[in-house]
Amino acid sequence: GAGVSQSPSNKVTEKGKDVELRCDPISGHTALYWYRQSLGQGLEFLIYFQGNSAPDKSGLPSDRFSAERTGGSVSTLTIQRTQQEDSAVYLCASSPDRWAETQYFGPGTRLLVL
Amino acid sequence: GENVEQHPSTLSVQEGDSAVIKCTYSDSASNYFPWYKQELGKRPQLIIDIRSNVGEKKDQRIAVTLNKTAKHFSLHITETQPEDSAVYFCAASITGAQKLVFGQGTRLTINP
Repeated sequence: GAGVSQSPSNKVTEKGKDVELRCDPISGHTALYWYRQSLGQGLEFLIYFQGNSAPDKSGLPSDRFSAERTGGSVSTLTIQRTQQEDSAVYLCASSPDRWAETQYFGPGTRLLVL
Repeated sequence: GENVEQHPSTLSVQEGDSAVIKCTYSDSASNYFPWYKQELGKRPQLIIDIRSNVGEKKDQRIAVTLNKTAKHFSLHITETQPEDSAVYFCAASITGAQKLVFGQGTRLTINP
């Protein structure tokens, strides 16, 4: 079946602008995760959604970052007033539920803030 | 919170030789340890994982070992091939605790 998809694949924006990144998880997966991967670095947890429960936002680096998940499926990660240090690859992952440990990753959105 | 350290950051081996990547974790409650392979410009792909009730797991040329007492786990790749060249990430999590904590990655290069 279809894997996790993300859009756009690349995004170039100017400092101070807002951006929205989209994630479509695998159909039926109730758990959805966002991670950030800076150049040459590991993956940094940002936020987690599980079904209709309140999201775990403990990894969001500042209040400029927010995320929504509508209808328990598609998620959008919004970065307001972007800064150059926000430049990174933003990866989305999903898993069948919170007890299913394996996470399946999307291809990522490469964000460049000029 | 959990902290995962991964070594080495880069590793270069001759084709056909073995490669070993090591990770340590800090939270003794962690019980799930996956390894991901990420080729240039591609998404991370799960290659093998191990749970804390098992000391070793093998899948063809890839094996993972876990030492719970020492809180470290290792990835072993035998008979390396050029297509093994990639960045490898280890991670740790607690089942049901939602997030994976990743190591910094190891860039593995297989020299023909």
